Parts: sequence; structure tokens; C-alpha cells
Amino acid sequence: DTAVSQTPKYLVTQMGNDKSIKCEQNLGHDTMYWYKQDSKKFLKIMFSYNNKELIINETVPNRFSPKSPDKAHLNLHINSLELGDSAVYFCASSLGPKNTEAFFGQGTRLTVV
Amino acid sequence: DQQVKQNSPSLSVQEGRISILNCDYTNSMFDYFLWYKKYPAEGPTFLISISSIKDKNEDGRFTVFLNKSAKHLSLHIVPSQPGDSAVYFCAASDPGTYKYIFGTGTRLKVLA
Repeated sequence: DTAVSQTPKYLVTQMGNDKSIKCEQNLGHDTMYWYKQDSKKFLKIMFSYNNKELIINETVPNRFSPKSPDKAHLNLHINSLELGDSAVYFCASSLGPKNTEAFFGQGTRLTVV
Repeated sequence: DQQVKQNSPSLSVQEGRISILNCDYTNSMFDYFLWYKKYPAEGPTFLISISSIKDKNEDGRFTVFLNKSAKHLSLHIVPSQPGDSAVYFCAASDPGTYKYIFGTGTRLKVLA
């Protein structure tokens, strides 16, 4: 039974399209995250929600919009996709926002062509 | 500006020997540190953590050491096994911003 699941695992799309990546956790955690791993393998935080409230909003283009309909879900919507958006996107969750380990999903490899 | 650094991109160790992975950080306010292991095409998996009030934490074959004065932590794996071959990331929790900041990773290869 997967703890943090994200769909799809692979996503290939054309420039200019709008796409969403979904994430769900069944751990009962309060905090969820989106991370981006770029071509240099850096894992960088993009957004974090705690109890459905946005607590981290890194400097990412406003084409990226997270949505948390409830504590167990954090979706990532990307408008007007660009070539540079190609990366692996990881969803994660943790008990709370501090001093606790985060559990990661398997990642979504987004390729923009 | 990379606040968490893993200066060794790769490390090879013989099976049964000790693997030592290193991590340096710049922000003395970081108060919680974690190590993650990542296999290809999978998400990072939590391994072990340590609070800044401790200098050592042990879990089976894995031990993390924290040297606050040097702003340095290390992960020791003893004995190393071929299944330990993966990329290892260290991460630090910034209490002011709620962020986990990751290092760039070290690829460990354990040779049978």
C-alpha cells in the first residue's frame, strides 16, 4: 500500500500545454511538499502546505500553481509549459513542518518537447 | 548559494568495509539533519536523522555523526553491502523557513 503516490509517473507534452500532477498520501500527515530535481540532480523545494495552508512558496514561475483540496492531497498544475520545465517532480509528506522526516513519492518525469 | 554541500559526487567501497559519506553546511541555525537514499527511478527514502542537540545517532548498520562546530555531518555504513549502492542525499531543516535543504548527493557503489 503506497504511502505517497503521485501520478503520472511519466509525462511527455508539448510546449505551451497545461498539465497537472496529482499527489496523495495515506499516512495521515499534515504537511505536503513539491520538490523539483533538475538535470544537475539538485532537489529543490517548490511549495509546502501544512493543514491545507501554503507555508512555503519558493521563487518559481507563477505558471506553477499548487492546490490542496484536503490534507491528503497536493496537486501541481503547470500552465504554458516550457522546455526548461523538464525535470523530475517529487511529492512528499511529513507529520509536521519541522524536525521530522519527509516521505517521498516515486517522482514524475516531465518532458516538454 | 548552496547551503548544504556534498563535495564527493561518488564513492566506491568494497563489500564488508565501511562507507563514509560526508556533508557540510553553512547555516548554523539548521537544527535537524537527515540522510536519504535514492535508487534510480524512485523517490528518496529516509534513512536516519539527527537533532542538533545530539552528536551521534545509530540505527543498525547506519550511524550519523554531527560536528556542529565544524558544520559537518557524516553517515557511516558498516558493513557495506551491494544493496547499499545508491545515491545518498543529506538534508538540513531550516527552522525559520520550514524548508528541507538538500545536498547534491553522493553516488555510492559497493563492490562485491
